[in-house]
Amino acid sequence: QSALTQPRSVSGSPGQSVTISCTGTSSDVGGYNYVSWYQQHPGGAPKLIIYDVYKRPSEVPDRFSGSKSGNTASLAISGLQPDDEADYYCSSYAASSKLLFGGGTKLTVL
Amino acid sequence: EVQLLESGGGLVQPGGSLRLSCAASGFTFNDYAMTWVRQAPGKGLQWVASVSGSASNIFYADFVKGRFTISRDNSQNTLHLQMNSLRAEDAAVYYCAKGLFRHSMGWSSDYWGRGTLVTVS
Repeated sequence: QSALTQPRSVSGSPGQSVTISCTGTSSDVGGYNYVSWYQQHPGGAPKLIIYDVYKRPSEVPDRFSGSKSGNTASLAISGLQPDDEADYYCSSYAASSKLLFGGGTKLTVL
Repeated sequence: EVQLLESGGGLVQPGGSLRLSCAASGFTFNDYAMTWVRQAPGKGLQWVASVSGSASNIFYADFVKGRFTISRDNSQNTLHLQMNSLRAEDAAVYYCAKGLFRHSMGWSSDYWGRGTLVTVS
C-alpha cells in the first residue's frame, strides 16, 4: 500500500486557523472510521491528538478537530499557538489489517 | 504513569540481525495491543508491525516480508522486534507504541516510547 497523501507544509499566523488534509482511497481512509492524527515536535515522539476520525483524547484542547469526507480526512487547528508548530501525521487502518501513515505535514506558525 | 522504554538499537552490517525490546510499565500490559513504528532520518512515520494483547493476532507491513518478527512476553511486560536480513533502508528510529483501547487491536496509539536508533552500514 502507498502512504496517505498530505501536503508537505502549511502555515498560519498566531490566532488563525489551518487545515491539513490526508487523502487515501476507499480501501483505507474512505472505507473505515479509523483515522488518527499525531503531532510530533522535533526530536520528540509522536503524540496522539485525534482518533476515530474526530475524537480527541481528554488532554488535547478542542482547538484540534478532525473530520472526513469520502477518501479525505482533515485536521483543523484553530487559534494557532506557537507550540502548535510541529509535524503532523495522519494514519488510517487499511484493508487486510494494515496501518498506513501519511507523509507528514510541517506546520509553521508565522 | 505509562512508560515505554525501547532498547537494542545500534550499528549492524547489511544482512545482519538485531533484536529490539520495549519495556512497558504503568498499565496492564496484556490488555493492550502493541505496535512498532519506524522513522528514517528526516522522513515520516512508517508502520512496521502490531500484536494483540494476547499475541493471538499479529500483523506486518508488506515490506517486512518475513524478515521481522514481532512478539511479546506478557510475564515480563516486554515487546520485542526480531529483525533479520537488515538492509540500508531499514535504518531508522524504531518506536514502540501502546494501543489506545483495552482488548482491541488498537490502530491508534496513545503512548509512544522515545525510540531506539538502528543504523545499517
